[in-house]
Amino acid sequence: AQSVTQLDSQVPVFEEAPVELRCNYSSSVSVYLFWYVQYPNQGLQLLLKYLSGSTLVKGINGFEAEFNKSQTSFHLRKPSVHISDTAEYFCAVNTGGFKTIFGAGTRLFVKA
Amino acid sequence: SAVISQKPSRDICQRGTSLTIQCQVDSQVTMMFWYRQQPGQSLTLIATANQGSEATYESGFVIDKFPISRPNLTFSTLTVSNMSPEDSSIYLCSGTGQGVYNEQFFGPGTRLTVL
Repeated sequence: AQSVTQLDSQVPVFEEAPVELRCNYSSSVSVYLFWYVQYPNQGLQLLLKYLSGSTLVKGINGFEAEFNKSQTSFHLRKPSVHISDTAEYFCAVNTGGFKTIFGAGTRLFVKA
Repeated sequence: SAVISQKPSRDICQRGTSLTIQCQVDSQVTMMFWYRQQPGQSLTLIATANQGSEATYESGFVIDKFPISRPNLTFSTLTVSNMSPEDSSIYLCSGTGQGVYNEQFFGPGTRLTVL
């Protein structure tokens, strides 16, 4: 069975600093990987996804993630964060079925 | 992409009552799901809503407590029955869009408080 581990429950960072949110997954088969963002009092929205091809995936709002098969990781990065990036971020994995497994979430808190 | 709306957006209910949450998608989706998200936690899948047949429930969730309907490809309801304070949570509707394999779209959620 697949699983997703988000290594940090909270990440505080100053505005304009770089940030990395870590995600590791476990699966014995090929995976599709996703990052979702949830702003306060809203539902989740897709940031980016890896289905196949280039391992570096660019998403909305300047975020990018790199799929590393050997390390079973899919870390999310942004070179310079804004106050408006404060949100909960969820890593998710799907192995081709209809169910997606979500990580526990990482709360990104951007400080002025 | 698909836009998903939910009603109500929030409610405060008394113990022992039931609440039905509606989920409407603006386009046809292959699958629809209902999740529960308790404060500060990740999403827990309650069930997969199947069109025209009984929903498929995850371990720990039963039809008597969370009856689900999906009469067509764009609409589903979740009822939280005989509520207790432990049911206080955010309930999220989600769907996978046709042609966008495995990407899920989410509604804004229904914030339920049970007194």
